[in-house]
Amino acid sequence: GQNIDQPTEMTATEGAIVQINCTYQTSGFNGLFWYQQHAGEAPTFLSYNVLDGLEEKGRFSSFLSRSKGYSYLLLKELQMKDSASYLCAVRLNTDKLIFGTGTRLQVFP
Amino acid sequence: ETGVTQSPTHLIKTRGQQVTLRCSSQSGHNTVSWYQQALGQGPQFIFQYYREEENGRGNFPPRFSGLQFPNYSSELNVNALELDDSALYLCASSGTLANTGELFFGEGSRLTVL
Repeated sequence: GQNIDQPTEMTATEGAIVQINCTYQTSGFNGLFWYQQHAGEAPTFLSYNVLDGLEEKGRFSSFLSRSKGYSYLLLKELQMKDSASYLCAVRLNTDKLIFGTGTRLQVFP
Repeated sequence: ETGVTQSPTHLIKTRGQQVTLRCSSQSGHNTVSWYQQALGQGPQFIFQYYREEENGRGNFPPRFSGLQFPNYSSELNVNALELDDSALYLCASSGTLANTGELFFGEGSRLTVL
């Protein structure tokens, strides 16, 4: 079976840094994606990791360790608009994406 | 905006009815995937179409069926609707299977089954 785990909810303060973890156990691996989804909207692409290491893109960074089945999304200088759900998704060898249940992040002033 | 459009945006059906949801993929994309997202959950893979052929299916019963047309637009059909089919149905398009596989999602069709 396929298993992707991420925390259900997190809270943080505006201007702070937050790290959202994701662990996975899947039959096949062809990359890991992070998507952002605001309530009532479609998911939007944030990052993609296929090799081990850190990918940085502005305020957002994503890390992958394939040997540990682990990834995290790091959000810096949090803004109120960052309040959303963050979805971790693994691309299987069949090109299918398997999503976790998402982490709902609330940013407070 | 991703260029993926879905219709209708909202609809209400009753148990036992049938529904057809439509999706126009982003220009240049030949692969369409459909996902079901229940409230508070992550998207669940239903199936994927590549060049008009089904190219993978998740754990959904046969009453969930689909089509892809020569222009790469797609339909999702659900027969004999059940209350648990109430969800947001997301269509996502992507380029050739050889690329990163990033999915571009439409805004979704929110289905309520009463």
